[in-house]
Amino acid sequence: AQSVSQHNHHVILSEAASLELGCNYSYGGTVNLFWYVQYPGQHLQLLLKYFSGDPLVKGIKGFEAEFIKSKFSFNLRKPSVQWSDTAEYFCAVKEGSGYNKLIFGAGTRLAVHP
Amino acid sequence: DAMVIQNPRYQVTQFGKPVTLSCSQTLNHNVMYWYQQKSSQAPKLLFHYYDKDFNNEADTPDNFQSRRPNTSFCFLDIRSPGLGDAAMYLCATSPDRVGQETQYFGPGTRLLVL
Repeated sequence: AQSVSQHNHHVILSEAASLELGCNYSYGGTVNLFWYVQYPGQHLQLLLKYFSGDPLVKGIKGFEAEFIKSKFSFNLRKPSVQWSDTAEYFCAVKEGSGYNKLIFGAGTRLAVHP
Repeated sequence: DAMVIQNPRYQVTQFGKPVTLSCSQTLNHNVMYWYQQKSSQAPKLLFHYYDKDFNNEADTPDNFQSRRPNTSFCFLDIRSPGLGDAAMYLCATSPDRVGQETQYFGPGTRLLVL
């Protein structure tokens, strides 16, 4: 069965530090890849997505992610985090064919200290 | 603003007492999903509708049922809640167009079973 692994369950950073959250998936075929964010008390929101084309994807709020097919990875990055980035981040994968089923990772809780 | 709305935000029920969670959307998307998310775990798809076509995940317990009376509304019925069903229940929608498969989430309903 397809699975998604997020390596870090909790990350604590100071403001202006750089961020990289790991995401690996197990499916070997064509995939669509997503990062969702959940701010405290709010609903899941899309940060960015990859369907095809340039493997470096830019999303909202200065986030980007790189799809590396050979490594089955889709790591999320931000060069300089802010206190407002404190949230939980979920990586999700959809098989390129078939119905629109998302497989989520377990999430990474990011805490950014001023 | 177009959105996905879930009511109630918090639901308390008794062991074995049927409960219904509701979801409505103003996005006019023809695909709707129900996810279960337990503490510190990934959201897990329970079932989804393509228009009126119901699609159950193989490992979704029979205790969980769903209804979609029209495009805008979808309900999750838990016939006999057990303590293990305490979780956050997320509703999501998406358009059914290739390349537009992003899912839009509601704020969730947190279910407590006493």
